[in-house]
Amino acid sequence: RKEVEQDPGPFNVPEGATVAFNCTYSNSASQSFFWYRQDCRKEPKLLMSVYSSGNEDGRFTAQLNRASQYISLLIRDSKLSDSATYLCVVNQGGYQKVTFGIGTKLQVIP
Amino acid sequence: GAVVSQHPSWVICKSGTSVKIECRSLDFQATTMFWYRQFPKQSLMLMATSNEGSKATYEQGVEKDKFLINHASLTLSTLTVTSAHPEDSSFYICSARGAYASRGDPYEQYFGPGTRLTVT
Repeated sequence: RKEVEQDPGPFNVPEGATVAFNCTYSNSASQSFFWYRQDCRKEPKLLMSVYSSGNEDGRFTAQLNRASQYISLLIRDSKLSDSATYLCVVNQGGYQKVTFGIGTKLQVIP
Repeated sequence: GAVVSQHPSWVICKSGTSVKIECRSLDFQATTMFWYRQFPKQSLMLMATSNEGSKATYEQGVEKDKFLINHASLTLSTLTVTSAHPEDSSFYICSARGAYASRGDPYEQYFGPGTRLTVT
């Protein structure tokens, strides 16, 4: 089993739709979780951290399920500008080791 | 804030030559810097982790004699690809982590814009 798994997609959704991605991780000792956004041929940019209690930032909601070892990202009212690859990032334990998922590609269609 | 720069942004070199990539944290002290490589349509792959003033820790399968990493100061790390070959052509991205007063999560990484290396 991979350390961090994501469905690579692509997810093609119409503008205004709600879309959700999941990311599973194998190490139960993982401590920190993040969602990054990466545009084509650009560096990843932090979208949001994922807290145990869940967190929301505008149209974006992130949740953590430790029992089932997955995190999720929900995007409401999708915009064309949301088209990108969304990377799940997991801190495996300790201060150093982080692992990136392969990323889920989202394409928002007019 | 939390800006990381990389130089050069792209480079084309001949097979057998060496290329140095610089990564700088511009407004914070980066106690840890990471070097990643990303091939087309693949995920970021961690190559090595370096702490200021100590030797880098390389991931399995990454040749430390080929990819030389130096992290001599809290704001600068360099990656040198020695004797580059066409298969080394990739997108190299650094990230930095360190003390940044306004951020709450100590595990957040800030990425440089990347360096696209093409070896002919």
